[in-house]
Amino acid sequence: SAVISQKPSRDICQRGTSLTIQCQVDSQVTMMFWYRQQPGQSLTLIATANQGSEATYESGFVIDKFPISRPNLTFSTLTVSNMSPEDSSIYLCSVVDSGRGTDTQYFGPGTRLTVL
Amino acid sequence: RKEVEQDPGPFNVPEGATVAFNCTYSNSASQSFFWYRQDCRKEPKLLMSVYSSGNEDGRFTAQLNRASQYISLLIRDSKLSDSATYLCAVNPGTNAGKSTFGDGTTLTVKP
Repeated sequence: SAVISQKPSRDICQRGTSLTIQCQVDSQVTMMFWYRQQPGQSLTLIATANQGSEATYESGFVIDKFPISRPNLTFSTLTVSNMSPEDSSIYLCSVVDSGRGTDTQYFGPGTRLTVL
Repeated sequence: RKEVEQDPGPFNVPEGATVAFNCTYSNSASQSFFWYRQDCRKEPKLLMSVYSSGNEDGRFTAQLNRASQYISLLIRDSKLSDSATYLCAVNPGTNAGKSTFGDGTTLTVKP
């Protein structure tokens, strides 16, 4: 399975600032995703990070608030812009490993964000 | 109706008990099915894929019922270490990418 790392692992930020989260995968993967998981809740997909083109955002999420980059097949960033306390959450990078013929998803360790 | 629904629990069982979780899905065209385990403050980790014929991995058995559109996870001889949240995931398959996740079922195994 793919090994995924995220930086930072956690951060505490002030309202109105922005934070960029990095996701690095140890192998080339076709599909990368960014999820949010708020306390006590399940996973909410923010967007699909597309290599070489703009990310595809899910309903309720917009590029101005969550700009995403994916310069190659092993790396992506998610920026949480103009943060408010409601953005406090765990942000998870995820990849799909289709190598074994099934669409198995794997997750990074997450970035725990607290906005004051 | 949510695309993927799970009984949120919590399920509180004694060690050694057998416990079963169900997960229903609404998209009849779904192709791939998974169970994930998520420990507190950790990321979800794949527990097992669910195959049409059903599959077993040690104390864990997963089954798929396409006609009724649900998958199940059976845990036999529960251990304390099985305490976690179990998420089901459903994928349209064929390189469609992202799965849709249920909200999770919380299991607590007590001594």
